[in-house]
Amino acid sequence: DIQMTQSPSSLSASVGDRVTITCRASQSISSYLNWYQQKPGKAPKLLIHGASNLQSGVPSIFSGSGSGTDFTLTISSLQPEDLATYYCQQTYSTPLTFGGGTKVEIK
Amino acid sequence: EVQLVESGGGLIQPGGSLRLSCAASGLTVNSNYMNWVRQAPGKGLEWVSVIYSGGSTYYADSVKGRFTISRDNSKNTVFLQMNSLRTDDTAVYYCARDPYCSSTTCSFFDYWGQGTLVTVSS
Repeated sequence: DIQMTQSPSSLSASVGDRVTITCRASQSISSYLNWYQQKPGKAPKLLIHGASNLQSGVPSIFSGSGSGTDFTLTISSLQPEDLATYYCQQTYSTPLTFGGGTKVEIK
Repeated sequence: EVQLVESGGGLIQPGGSLRLSCAASGLTVNSNYMNWVRQAPGKGLEWVSVIYSGGSTYYADSVKGRFTISRDNSKNTVFLQMNSLRTDDTAVYYCARDPYCSSTTCSFFDYWGQGTLVTVSS
């Protein structure tokens, strides 16, 4: 099984800050990497697919990069509504696996 | 507009069985790749199972042999039959759509339901 490791597990940043979350796969997954945002009590929402493709309707402050084993989600200017937990997911092979999540808090 | 609506959750004793349903509108379940994902209280996301448009099914090791995914095309609904339930199966169960999978890879989950809570406890 492919293990997905996210870091950090939590972070606190100020409104307007640039925030970076990393995700590492235990083996190469090409670009089969997605990012989701989950707000408290809600279902996850797709932000980025294929490592760097912004899902329709998602603000352009979100961006993704990487390939192979190392990936990054960047929020260019943190907003209050970005309070959430962010998950990476690999869809290179079953079992499809998620990272452990990164909880983003606003200072 | 696409909607996925899960139902069937509840309180069940260890060793019991439960069947979850995911009723879809705005998409056809047998033309898509339909997944179940769960989230234990306060924990992260765990993929559970997928049924391909062609009918192939795959499972996480943690549920293999106990859970069965199926669909009823006439009702446009996907099911998750859960047997031999354990306390660590307690979670919110989400239904999610993947628009495409090949024989080895899948894409992304772009539509999710609101989830249904399963509590396994004596």
